[in-house]
Amino acid sequence: KQEVTQIPAALSVPEGENLVLNCSFTDSAIYNLQWFRQDPGKGLTSLLLIQSSQREQTSGRLNASLDKSSGRSTLYIAASQPGDSATYLCAVRPNDYKLSFGAGTTVTVRA
Amino acid sequence: GAVVSQHPSRVICKSGTSVKIECRSLDFQATTMFWYRQFPKQSLMLMATSNEGSKATYEQGVEKDKFLINHASLTLSTLTVTSAHPEDSSFYICSAVEVSVNQPQHFGDGTRLSIL
Repeated sequence: KQEVTQIPAALSVPEGENLVLNCSFTDSAIYNLQWFRQDPGKGLTSLLLIQSSQREQTSGRLNASLDKSSGRSTLYIAASQPGDSATYLCAVRPNDYKLSFGAGTTVTVRA
Repeated sequence: GAVVSQHPSRVICKSGTSVKIECRSLDFQATTMFWYRQFPKQSLMLMATSNEGSKATYEQGVEKDKFLINHASLTLSTLTVTSAHPEDSSFYICSAVEVSVNQPQHFGDGTRLSIL
């Protein structure tokens, strides 16, 4: 069974600092990995999706890397802003569509 | 972009009531929809997979008679929590997948269910 772990569970940084969020998974036989943002009491917003054949994906200030062989992904958020405060979830997908989620990293960016 | 609408966003009701939650794909046809449950500060747990025109597939430990799922069309799936009790209180989120291969799941905004 796939286990997804996110470290740290919570992170508080001053505005402008770069954020590094880690995700590890136990089964490297994945189809893709996806990073989501979840605001309190809300659903999920997809940030980046990395196919198993890719090493990284970038969108604006966000960059996600994937090392499938070691079962790791890292989400980098450059020059953090208070609006980046949210919970960030990573999810891995095997060949079917059943996603396995980590518990998330709750980020607070202090103004 | 693809949009999934989930309704209602919040429900508060008495114990013993049955509650229906709708999940609609607004601008694409979703052959498959998923229902997740999320406890506070915990990960999303997949409850069931809903395929249009066929019976839902439930994950281990999920009571199919408690959580009734119907996927009658390519744009609508419903989750009915039957005879809800306080332990059923949770955040329920649906997602939908486009027919084309290799498309990411699109998530609804979730439903906060509170059983008194």
